[in-house]
Amino acid sequence: SQKIEQNSEALNIQEGKTATLTCNYTNYSPAYLQWYRQDPGRGPVFLLLIRENEKEKRKERLKVTFDTTLKQSLFHITASQPADSATYLCALAEGFQKLVFGTGTRLLVSP
Amino acid sequence: DAGITQSPRHKVTETGTPVTLRCHQTENHRYMYWYRQDPGHGLRLIHYSYGVKDTDKGEVSDGYSVSRSKTEDFLLTLESATSSQTSVYFCAISESGSISGANVLTFGAGSRLTVL
Repeated sequence: SQKIEQNSEALNIQEGKTATLTCNYTNYSPAYLQWYRQDPGRGPVFLLLIRENEKEKRKERLKVTFDTTLKQSLFHITASQPADSATYLCALAEGFQKLVFGTGTRLLVSP
Repeated sequence: DAGITQSPRHKVTETGTPVTLRCHQTENHRYMYWYRQDPGHGLRLIHYSYGVKDTDKGEVSDGYSVSRSKTEDFLLTLESATSSQTSVYFCAISESGSISGANVLTFGAGSRLTVL
């Protein structure tokens, strides 16, 4: 089955800087990859999806890249704000109906 | 969490007792999922359903059973709860599960279960 690696250490950055989170996977390249945001005590919320034939996807201050050669996705938040502080989860499609999630990376944006 | 509710939100029980968690959706989505989330493991799929009475196992299905008698309800049952099943359980729904589509999940708020 697919193995997903996200940095378990929290990422601390200053407000206004760009945060970059990494998602690495070990097996076959999935048809698509997703990023979710999770706040404490809440369920994950979908942010972005990128397909295997797409190199980059943007939504407002968010940007996702997908490199099937490196088996890696990068998630960028530009002009970060304290409200962006949360845990960000990477998820990969496995088969038709299943999503496999990484353990997530906690982002802390300080004023 | 609009359109998907989980109950109970918190439950404390003792080892060996049966527990049922309920997931209710008002979106009429075909696919429903139960995940558990534990520190260091992330979200792991327990069971999922692709229609009424159609269910399949996920990565960590041992000790769990599910039922879906109506489109809107997906029940997760722990027949005899163990301390290792202490976790936060999330239900999720999805409209599309086809190879041409993408499985974007909407999650519930979670049910925190403690087994003493």
